[in-house]
Amino acid sequence: AQSVSQHNHHVILSEAASLELGCNYSYGGTVNLFWYVQYPGQHLQLLLKYFSGDPLVKGIKGFEAEFIKSKFSFNLRKPSVQWSDTAEYFCAVSPGNSGNTPLVFGKGTRLSVIA
Amino acid sequence: GAVVSQHPSWVICKSGTSVKIECRSLDFQATTMFWYRQFPKQSLMLMATSNEGSKATYEQGVEKDKFLINHASLTLSTLTVTSAHPEDSSFYICSAIRRETQYFGPGTRLLVL
Repeated sequence: AQSVSQHNHHVILSEAASLELGCNYSYGGTVNLFWYVQYPGQHLQLLLKYFSGDPLVKGIKGFEAEFIKSKFSFNLRKPSVQWSDTAEYFCAVSPGNSGNTPLVFGKGTRLSVIA
Repeated sequence: GAVVSQHPSWVICKSGTSVKIECRSLDFQATTMFWYRQFPKQSLMLMATSNEGSKATYEQGVEKDKFLINHASLTLSTLTVTSAHPEDSSFYICSAIRRETQYFGPGTRLLVL
């Protein structure tokens, strides 16, 4: 079965620090990759997605992620975090050639940004 | 953007009662919706795939007679937790697909006393 691993349970950063959240998946075939964010009290929102093409994907709010096929990784990055980035971040994978299959989620990483 | 709503946002019920949760795609049609369950400090786990006009597909370990899913239209799927028990207390989240991307509802928190 497919699985998604997010290595960091809780990350605490100061404002303006750089962010990298790790995500690894186990699936040998074609996959679609996603990062979702859940702000306190709000629903999951799509940050960015990768289906094919350029492995460096840019999303909303200055986030980007790089798909490294050889490492089965899809790490999320942001050069300079803000207090408003405090949220829970979920990496997710859907196997196959389309995005119409259910998502397999990682356990999430809680990001706390302090002033 | 694609908007998915859920109703109710939270519900408290007595053990043994049934609870219906609605999931609606507000500005698009969705032939496929998914129902997930999220336990505290854990990830979302897929419960079932809801297909408009056909029977839902349940994940292993999810009781189809306990979690009834009806996808009666292209904008509405319902999840009914029948004869709810305290162990069914959880956060239930639906999603709908638009252009190969899943958009999530805000979730429904269920507390069974």
